[in-house]
Amino acid sequence: AQSVSQHNHHVILSEAASLELGCNYSYGGTVNLFWYVQYPGQHLQLLLKYFSGDPLVKGIKGFEAEFIKSKFSFNLRKPSVQWSDTAEYFCAVEYNFNKFYFGSGTKLNVKP
Amino acid sequence: DADVTQTPRNRITKTGKRIMLECSQTKGHDRMYWYRQDPGLGLRLIYYSFDVKDINKGEISDGYSVSRQAQAKFSLSLESAIPNQTALYFCATSGQGINTEAFFGQGTRLTVV
Repeated sequence: AQSVSQHNHHVILSEAASLELGCNYSYGGTVNLFWYVQYPGQHLQLLLKYFSGDPLVKGIKGFEAEFIKSKFSFNLRKPSVQWSDTAEYFCAVEYNFNKFYFGSGTKLNVKP
Repeated sequence: DADVTQTPRNRITKTGKRIMLECSQTKGHDRMYWYRQDPGLGLRLIYYSFDVKDINKGEISDGYSVSRQAQAKFSLSLESAIPNQTALYFCATSGQGINTEAFFGQGTRLTVV
């Protein structure tokens, strides 16, 4: 069965620190990859997505993610976090243009 | 206006009661989904529908039912609510094929007492 794993459940950083959140997925054919963000009290919003081409994807608010096919990974990065990045981050995978599978989420707390 | 609208936004109900959560979307997409979010568990798929005549169970469909009334409307029902169905429920819609993404509603916070 397809699955998506996020290994960091809770991350605490100071402002200006660099961020990397891990995401691994199980093999299952063609994949489309996504990172969503959920700010406190809000719905999920798309940060970035990968379908094909350059494995380094840039999204909104300075986030980027790298698709490494050999490692089944799609890690999210940001060089310098801000207090406003405090949120929960979800990795998602769409297998074979079918339904979406989500990871368990990573809560990021950025201290001012 | 939001692309995906859920009603109600908050609901407290008693054990054993029937409750319906409604979702409508203006994206014109065929695919719609219901997820529940629980702390530490992420989003788990309850039901999904790829068109009006297509309804599929997700990974946690027990205790839930759905109705796809139109392309734009997809409702979730709890026939007899129980406390462990207390959660945040999200409706989503997506297109199909390449370059699609899921668009989410604002969520319904349901508490079963």
